[in-house]
Amino acid sequence: DAGVIQSPRHEVTEMGQEVTLRCKPISGHDYLFWYRQTMMRGLELLIYFNNNVPIDDSGMPEDRFSAKMPNASFSTLKIQPSEPRDSAVYFCASRGTGVNSPLHFGNGTRLTVT
Amino acid sequence: GQQVMQIPQYQHVQEGEDFTTYCNSSTTLSNIQWYKQRPGGHPVFLIQLVKSGEVKKQKRLTFQFGEAKKNSSLHITATQTTDVGTYFCAGPYAGNMLTFGGGTRLMVKP
Repeated sequence: DAGVIQSPRHEVTEMGQEVTLRCKPISGHDYLFWYRQTMMRGLELLIYFNNNVPIDDSGMPEDRFSAKMPNASFSTLKIQPSEPRDSAVYFCASRGTGVNSPLHFGNGTRLTVT
Repeated sequence: GQQVMQIPQYQHVQEGEDFTTYCNSSTTLSNIQWYKQRPGGHPVFLIQLVKSGEVKKQKRLTFQFGEAKKNSSLHITATQTTDVGTYFCAGPYAGNMLTFGGGTRLMVKP
């Protein structure tokens, strides 16, 4: 089991540029979550998918953020245009069916917007 | 919405001392999960508690779920340097969304 795979591990970009973060969930997991972690706000849930369908995106900060899951093995989180306050570690996590199933996190993408 | 609060935010201990972190929810939880995040790493699932008053142990770690299912604690006996990291509790919200507490960062002096 390769675990949840995220890319890139680090991303440094200039304000105004588009940023795309990628995630491959664990095979067979039908829930996928995007979290953002900062010192000030901790771990925040941005959006989650069930069977590739976005279920709740109430945590997405603003329209600059968008997420897609075109198939069961791939998801993207896009920020366009990026701003310095978007700098954070972005985690993707997946879990199986069953509300008590634990989350499996990827290694995260550390985003720095200058 | 649901809030999950954790205290303390930080804890420095001498190696060998005990450590406890507390978690409180604004609403009754169906279950509570605990995660550990090492410095520079990602959160890793430790355990889940489901029943009121439940106590579970993992070696030196003892997890407890309150009778009202609104609070929980994690106690580490005789801390070691390998225990360093941030410990998070998390509770389900609206069925499938896991809300994380702010975490307790544990630092252990050898």
